[in-house]
Amino acid sequence: DGGITQSPKYLFRKEGQNVTLSCEQNLNHDAMYWYRQDPGQGLRLIYYSQIVNDFQKGDIAEGYSVSREKKESFPLTVTSAQKNPTAFYLCASTQRPPDSPLHFGNGTRLTVT
Amino acid sequence: AQSVTQPDIHITVSEGASLELRCNYSYGATPYLFWYVQSPGQGLQLLLKYFSGDTLVQGIKGFEAEFKRSQSSFNLRKPSVHWSDAAEYFCAVGARGSNAGNMLTFGGGTRLMVKP
Repeated sequence: DGGITQSPKYLFRKEGQNVTLSCEQNLNHDAMYWYRQDPGQGLRLIYYSQIVNDFQKGDIAEGYSVSREKKESFPLTVTSAQKNPTAFYLCASTQRPPDSPLHFGNGTRLTVT
Repeated sequence: AQSVTQPDIHITVSEGASLELRCNYSYGATPYLFWYVQSPGQGLQLLLKYFSGDTLVQGIKGFEAEFKRSQSSFNLRKPSVHWSDAAEYFCAVGARGSNAGNMLTFGGGTRLMVKP
């Protein structure tokens, strides 16, 4: 079955370390997204990519970086510059924004201490 | 830019009772409207969507939603709630003609608890 795979499900890091979250999709979708979810705040867009080798900042891109070298993959790096990195991170994709709904992965919970 | 408000942060209903989750949006034209559901520690799953046409939309798991332009609302309903419906529900608004970046704005979510 097609879908989006995020790994790992749980991730623990020490403050000051960069960490990369994986997102892979086999839905053949062009557009991919990273969202951050905090309790009571809904989902906030970090970065998105409409096509390979191109990506754009979302609403809260500071302290994050991404790459899109392959259509299937859109990894997110949480850098040491992100002031409050502990959160639940969701990757999503869609074939034809904004008409088509987003398909989501199961998320990665990052805890930084 | 569009915005979405879900006025109820938490709702508790008894199993078998009816349910209505509220969603109000702000947008200058007719938007795309979505409801998603999220189980704890999981991603979001699409329940239903409204693009155009019939303002009463049927979704999965027995849910429906009604688009009311005059009230800028898209409330989610279910006639009889099951214990497995306990989850967090998100309303989302998409702007027609938008690019991929501003395609969706999510509400803050409503957490549904179901009493036996």
